[in-house]
Amino acid sequence: QSALTQPPSASGSPGQSVTISCTGTSSDVGGYNYVSWYQQHPGKAPKLMIYEVSKRPSGVPDRFSGSKSGNTASLTVSGLQAEDEADYYCSSYAGSTRVFGTGTKVTVL
Amino acid sequence: EVQLVESGGGLVQPGGSLRLSCAASEFTFSSYWMNWVRQAPGKGLEWVANIKLDGSEKNYVDSVKGRFTISRDNAKSSLYLQMNSLRAEDTAVYYCARERWVKLELTYYYYGMDVWGQGTTVTVSS
Repeated sequence: QSALTQPPSASGSPGQSVTISCTGTSSDVGGYNYVSWYQQHPGKAPKLMIYEVSKRPSGVPDRFSGSKSGNTASLTVSGLQAEDEADYYCSSYAGSTRVFGTGTKVTVL
Repeated sequence: EVQLVESGGGLVQPGGSLRLSCAASEFTFSSYWMNWVRQAPGKGLEWVANIKLDGSEKNYVDSVKGRFTISRDNAKSSLYLQMNSLRAEDTAVYYCARERWVKLELTYYYYGMDVWGQGTTVTVSS
């Protein structure tokens, strides 16, 4: 039940793209296409941004995209906007349990 | 409006107990797996426990096994977390989160934790 590994921080200027990685094992990220991504602004509850590796819930801008290769999933935010500045967490199904990533703080320069 | 509202948090001494509740509204509660997720001050999200639609399966993170018990009352659209033998490291904001699965024929589709409560704060300190 180790946390998935994410870089602590990422940044980009408005309009640029930023990609966040999420590395797990064959028992979680690599074993299932059940990776999701969550955005959390300070003092707020997390918000679902991506599910099943690359699908967006209704209302999430198409600037957010997800992918996976082996044991590593990725979230890309294109066309960065000021409101994208937040903490981002990946999560994976791991059989009967769930596991979150260590979190990445995205800064819009 | 689909909503989850947690309650029951507070200040408790080490070794003490607390029961968290999560009230669901405007959706068919019995159709969803439910989770508890916590976030220690200044730290990341940590999955704590989940419970199947009918309560027949419960799973926990290793650090709370034997101390925490997740339960649900589908008639009351409510989720609970009984926390015993509390430790300082259990101090956190506790969120309940709905988890959506859809089964079509033989395939399961996972829609993630799509609804979250606002959280309730648990502080374990003497």
